[in-house]
Amino acid sequence: NAGVMQNPRHLVRRRGQEARLRCSPMKGHSHVYWYRQLPEEGLKFMVYLQKENIIDESGMPKERFSAEFPKEGPSILRIQQVVRGDSAAYFCASTGTGSSYEQYFGPGTRLTVT
Amino acid sequence: KNEVEQSPQNLTAQEGEFITINCSYSVGISALHWLQQHPGGGIVSLFMLSSGKKKHGRLIATINIQEKHSSLHITASHPRDSAVYICAVLRGSGNTPLVFGKGTRLSVIA
Repeated sequence: NAGVMQNPRHLVRRRGQEARLRCSPMKGHSHVYWYRQLPEEGLKFMVYLQKENIIDESGMPKERFSAEFPKEGPSILRIQQVVRGDSAAYFCASTGTGSSYEQYFGPGTRLTVT
Repeated sequence: KNEVEQSPQNLTAQEGEFITINCSYSVGISALHWLQQHPGGGIVSLFMLSSGKKKHGRLIATINIQEKHSSLHITASHPRDSAVYICAVLRGSGNTPLVFGKGTRLSVIA
């Protein structure tokens, strides 16, 4: 009965490196959302994916950020050439395809860029 | 103006007090979430509701769709209730991203 899994829980990267954040949705869920929480700010939507498709990426910065949700395996949020401003908590949430659209959150990945 | 506004931003209460956190939104929604986040911690969904009232233990959530307003109540508050409480709305219908309020930071003092 695993919930939404995210790894790593904490990630430290130097400026210019790449960060890869992984999210495994709840069993049976095929919709994944990525949200970002900047220090002392509220949560903001980044991208919404279904298996093999990006449905809505309107909240994602145009450069350096990309996301995927392959047929097999977790969803991945990739940040290239990280900068200090990317330091934040990144949460993913998943939903199923039934009539309930309740989103279940993972524990988050806390990215620190030094 | 944010689409989802919460009040108060910060709240300090004595143990045992009855607490109310308010959420107003300016867009059409299909449902509203109340979420809890402990410092440095993950996000837990407390309630999802689209009408009326829900109760779980000492927590009660209400929503008035016509007035575009929801409240989260905590009865007999306890220091372990200290957390940030976040209101989030589902715009439209079906699977859509959540839009969040900025959260209410609650501290309950023994």
